[in-house]
Amino acid sequence: GAGVSQSPSNKVTEKGKDVELRCDPISGHTALYWYRQSLGQGLEFLIYFQGNSAPDKSGLPSDRFSAERTGGSVSTLTIQRTQQEDSAVYLCASSQSSGRYNEQFFGPGTRLTVL
Amino acid sequence: SQQGEEDPQALSIQEGENATMNCSYKTSINNLQWYRQNSGRGLVHLILIRSNEREKHSGRLRVTLDTSKKSSSLLITASRAADTASYFCATDRVRGSTLGRLYFGRGTQLTVWP
Repeated sequence: GAGVSQSPSNKVTEKGKDVELRCDPISGHTALYWYRQSLGQGLEFLIYFQGNSAPDKSGLPSDRFSAERTGGSVSTLTIQRTQQEDSAVYLCASSQSSGRYNEQFFGPGTRLTVL
Repeated sequence: SQQGEEDPQALSIQEGENATMNCSYKTSINNLQWYRQNSGRGLVHLILIRSNEREKHSGRLRVTLDTSKKSSSLLITASRAADTASYFCATDRVRGSTLGRLYFGRGTQLTVWP
């Protein structure tokens, strides 16, 4: 596709359930990022994949959060045993590389609501 | 942790007026970027300015960077109602961070009234 896509666009789940959020980056982009944005707030960095390097997981808020990137392309963010404070918009972005001057292209986000 | 801080938090102007938003950051950077977000969804890249540049233009946008003051400004000239959005600055870090990682501020909510 032409841009970054994310699915689902909206997800409503019950507290304690696991959820999986998917991101399809722009073809050929080696860097992929996950962010979280709570209502009216800025972007909170979660995790960053660059090629075959070990991901930068320093932003994951707890061990309930994990992410994978298979084959250097599609990424899945998994939240286990969801809590109400996990409710937010989860944004994925990709960039051509991790160089010093690369812009990030964002997907439309997944709005997660934990009841 | 956030690197950039925008101000004001909110800005309300009439169509045709200019809008100026500021961003301050804390550590040495390679580049600073401005993004726009409509309705809490995906961000759209507006402009990137390198640390060795002082000013950059793109259409009605003008960005300045003062590395001595660790600050940047985004000017939107002749604003339109369609410019209503949240605007974020983002920086990388020269040291102490993964290359390519960006740090975003909390954003400025711009409202342009017809």
